Amino acid sequence: GNSVTQMEGPVTLSEEAFLTINCTYTATGYPSLFWYVQYPGEGLQLLLKATKADDKGSNKGFEATYRKETTSFHLEKGSVQVSDSAVYFCALSDRYGNKLVFGAGTILRVKS
Amino acid sequence: DTGVSQNPRHKITKRGQNVTFRCDPISEHNRLYWYRQTLGQGPEFLTYFQNEAQLEKSRLLSDRFSAERPKGSFSTLEIQRTEQGDSAMYLCASSSSGTKIETQYFGPGTRLLVL
Repeated sequence: GNSVTQMEGPVTLSEEAFLTINCTYTATGYPSLFWYVQYPGEGLQLLLKATKADDKGSNKGFEATYRKETTSFHLEKGSVQVSDSAVYFCALSDRYGNKLVFGAGTILRVKS
Repeated sequence: DTGVSQNPRHKITKRGQNVTFRCDPISEHNRLYWYRQTLGQGPEFLTYFQNEAQLEKSRLLSDRFSAERPKGSFSTLEIQRTEQGDSAMYLCASSSSGTKIETQYFGPGTRLLVL
């Protein structure tokens, strides 16, 4: 079945550091890929998405590129802020955008 | 657009009791999803509706669990004879359906604790 694997956390960075959170997936067909973020005390929010190979999703300075050859969708940001501290979830859906399959989540802590 | 709402936000119950949760999706969304999230894990799919039709159920959804969306608007998730292993955050999401991949918007969740 479909699955998502994320790097384990917590990831602790200083403000303005470069961020990479690794995500790889296993899926049949042509999944769509997502990054969701959960800030403390809040619900899941979509951060970015990509629906086909080589697409790049971007939002709020975060980027991720759908790499079919390596089955990866790594999340990057050039300069993190304290306000980026949250839990980040990588997820995939089938081609119809139905049920999402999530990774276990990666906690990001940014120190000032 | 007030977003997806869920009630109650927290529920504490004793083992063996029945509980019911409600989800109100974004008004124009015809798809509604239920997920379960345990501590330190990502959400796991339980079931989804398109309008009032329940189109898919996960094997995680044992016969103690039932979900309904009677008029294609709000949905309820009932757990009968609760067990301690049912303790989790229950998340609802909604989306529209169309020719492109639609974003699922999540509610704040209902946290269930079974004593």
